[in-house]
Parts: sequence; C-alpha cells; structure tokens
Amino acid sequence: AQSVTQPDIHITVSEGASLELRCNYSYGATPYLFWYVQSPGQGLQLLLKYFSGDTLVQGIKGFEAEFKRSQSSFNLRKPSVHWSDAAEYFCAVGSNYGGSQGNLIFGKGTKLSVKP
Amino acid sequence: NAGVTQTPKFRVLKTGQSMTLLCAQDMNHEYMYWYRQDPGMGLRLIHYSVGEGTTAKGEVPDGYNVSRLKKQNFLLGLESAAPSQTSVYFCASSYVTSGQETQYFGPGTRLLVL
Repeated sequence: AQSVTQPDIHITVSEGASLELRCNYSYGATPYLFWYVQSPGQGLQLLLKYFSGDTLVQGIKGFEAEFKRSQSSFNLRKPSVHWSDAAEYFCAVGSNYGGSQGNLIFGKGTKLSVKP
Repeated sequence: NAGVTQTPKFRVLKTGQSMTLLCAQDMNHEYMYWYRQDPGMGLRLIHYSVGEGTTAKGEVPDGYNVSRLKKQNFLLGLESAAPSQTSVYFCASSYVTSGQETQYFGPGTRLLVL
C-alpha cells in the first residue's frame, strides 16, 4: 500500500541549530515528492518539490531536501533554524500515472518547536 | 491574484444541519481537491475534480458531496452534518506541466459540528 511515514511527531531544536526532518515513503510507481509547511491557523505552503533530475532540491526559506531512492527517503534539512520556522511540516508523495493525477498521500506531520 | 480562497473561515453546525463550503481559485487550474485535516492524521482526500463538470471520490468521501459547475469553483456539501465531520477542511488546486503537478492550498475552513 502507498504510504508516507514521518517518524518524528514533534521535534524541538535551538535557534541557530541545524534541522533534519525525516520522511520515508512506500510507493509503487516513480514518486513525485513534496514538503509543505503549515503555520498555526494557516493553510499549507509548498516548500519544495522533487520530480526528477538532481536529487538535492532547494526550496524556499533556506530549506533543502534530498531524494534517496535506495532508502525511499526524502528528508528535509535546514542548516540554521530561525524562530519563525516553528510550524508543522508535511511530506507528501504523488504520481502522474494513469488517472491518479493529484492524489497526494500525506504523512501525519512533524511539529517543529524552536527554543530561543 | 488571490490564489485559492475558501468561504467561510469558520462555522459551527448542529448535528443534522447542512452546509456548503466554497473553494475558488483564480489561477485557471484544471484540478481541484478537498481534503480534511484531523489531529495526528495528516490530510486525507475527500473528493477531487479533474475538470469542469467532473468529480471523483477520494479516500474519505462518505457524508460529502461535491460539484464543479464552473472551472474556478469547487463546492463541498454536507447534507446532514455529524460530529465526526468536525475538522479543518482544505481546498487545493493544481496545474500540470510536462507531466508534473503541484498543488496549492487555500487557508482552510474550520468546522465544528455539535
């Protein structure tokens, strides 16, 4: 079955520290991968996406993610976290085969807290 | 360019009441989606549409109906609301280019069913 796993429900990091949020997927076809961020009371904002090509993708707000097919992972990283990065982060996987366009499968999210 | 907008932002219903949530997008996107978000569950797809006049069921369609009479609008209806439908509802729209699709989300509608 297709699924996305975000192993960490809640992570706390100090401001200025590095960050890595984990995402593992199970998907039969070639995956298209996304990271979204949701600030409290807000909608989801696209951080970055991977379709093909370079496995290290750059996104907005200084985030990057690396696709590792052998590990079925798409981990999100940031070298130095800012207090404004406190939010919930969702990994999602989609595909573009057959009639399943747009059926994104979301992980359950990782809530990030930032200590001053 | 407002992107994806949702109306209303917040609503309280009594069990058995009906309501319609409106999603509008001004990006000329073909595809539109309705998701619900529950604590610890991530987002789950309710219904989606791949074009004007067409709709399809997602993962959790029971208790909901949808319509896409105009390309820019996607309506989600609850005919007889139940407490289990208390949730935050997100609409998204997307375009496909070179076989790649990206979904853009609205701000959400928070629904409480008593």
